Order: sequence, then C-alpha cells, then structure tokens
Amino acid sequence: GAVVSQHPSRVICKSGTSVKIECRSLDFQATTMFWYRQFPKQSLMLMATSNEGSKATYEQGVEKDKFLINHASLTLSTLTVTSAHPEDSSFYICSARGILGEENNEQFFGPGTRLTVL
Amino acid sequence: AQKVTQAQTEISVVEKEDVTLDCVYETRDTTYYLFWYKQPPSGELVFLIRRNSFDEQNEISGRYSWNFQKSTSSFNFTITASQVVDSAVYFCALSRGGSNYKLTFGKGTLLTVNP
Repeated sequence: GAVVSQHPSRVICKSGTSVKIECRSLDFQATTMFWYRQFPKQSLMLMATSNEGSKATYEQGVEKDKFLINHASLTLSTLTVTSAHPEDSSFYICSARGILGEENNEQFFGPGTRLTVL
Repeated sequence: AQKVTQAQTEISVVEKEDVTLDCVYETRDTTYYLFWYKQPPSGELVFLIRRNSFDEQNEISGRYSWNFQKSTSSFNFTITASQVVDSAVYFCALSRGGSNYKLTFGKGTLLTVNP
C-alpha cells in the first residue's frame, strides 16, 4: 500500500510556542489530506480536510487560526499549532488520499505525532 | 448525520479464544463505506478492511472475519483463536460514498488478549 510519513514523531514544547507537523505522501500524489486529533483513550476526531492548492476546510469547533494547515504540494501538508497550550497535548494523525482513492475513499494514515505541551 | 457505535469499550480474553467486536452504524445514504482499523500501542493505524454498502458478502482473511448485515446496520469483526499480538484498540469507521469522504470513527474497543 501507499506510504504516508509524519515528522516529527514526538515533540515536547513549552507553552506559548508554535509547533509544525509535516505529513508527506511518499509514493503517490495526495489530492486530499486529512488531519485528526486523538486524545488519550479516545477516538480520532477529524480536525480539517485540505486539498492541494486551496484553503483547508475545518470541522466545527476547530479554531482555524490556531491550527494552521497548508497543503502546498501534492505530497506535503503541514499542521502548525500556534501558541500551543497544555490542552493541545494530543496525538495528531494525518491521512492522505490520492486520485485513485477518490471513489472508494481509500485513505492512508501516517504514524502520528505525539505533542506534549509543558 | 452519520454515527458509528462500538458498544464494547474493553474486552479481555485468554489466548486462543474467539472474540467478536461489534459495530453498529447509522446513515441515511444508500452508498457508503465501512472500515475496520487496528491501533496497537505504537499508535499507528493499521487498515484491516473496507466494505462498500452494495457488497454484503462476509469476508474471511486468515483468523479475521467480518459479518456485514445491512438489515441490522452492523459490521461485526471476529478474531478466531486470538493471540497476544492481537491486543490493540480496534476502530470501526464509516464514510459516505462519492465526493463526500469524511471518515466517522466509532469510539473504539480495547482488546486485551492474555497469555
């Protein structure tokens, strides 16, 4: 199957700093990328959907000014958590879907990034 | 609105037992997709199966089998002869067909297989 990577895998930062997480599709072109957040022992919640070259669509309740998403190329999307606070500590997972997956919603998930804000 | 219910929060079995994870879904769409994912302690989601709404055939893959019943809106997952390596959180998910492709996840079932 297709491979999606995330970097970094783990990050610890101080409150008030900004953190950037990268999501890359390694062997296919991702027309759409998704960002999920997962709190401990909870399910995955979709934060936003991004299409290459256009603005991301955020789910209700997700602050777009706090979680900046950029999908500048067909292989890279970034999520920047601005002015992070301890309540932003979570597991962030991205997924990517290529053109061939549009009909059956085949998404490939990255390994996740664990963010801890002190 | 779409909804996925995994009523079993945690299940604990002894190795070699069979175990069934339940998944009940709600949707008004006639075309939709159902998924199962495994999330081991490492956190990475592992894709297990995708089934579209027009394919009610049950599927077997090794020790894994899935029972899709539209009449009861259920898509249950059975692991036969469970092993310790099966210990993980299992998520059932639903998406609409066509261009609306958001995945709605259930809350997950934590399966612990004890030796």
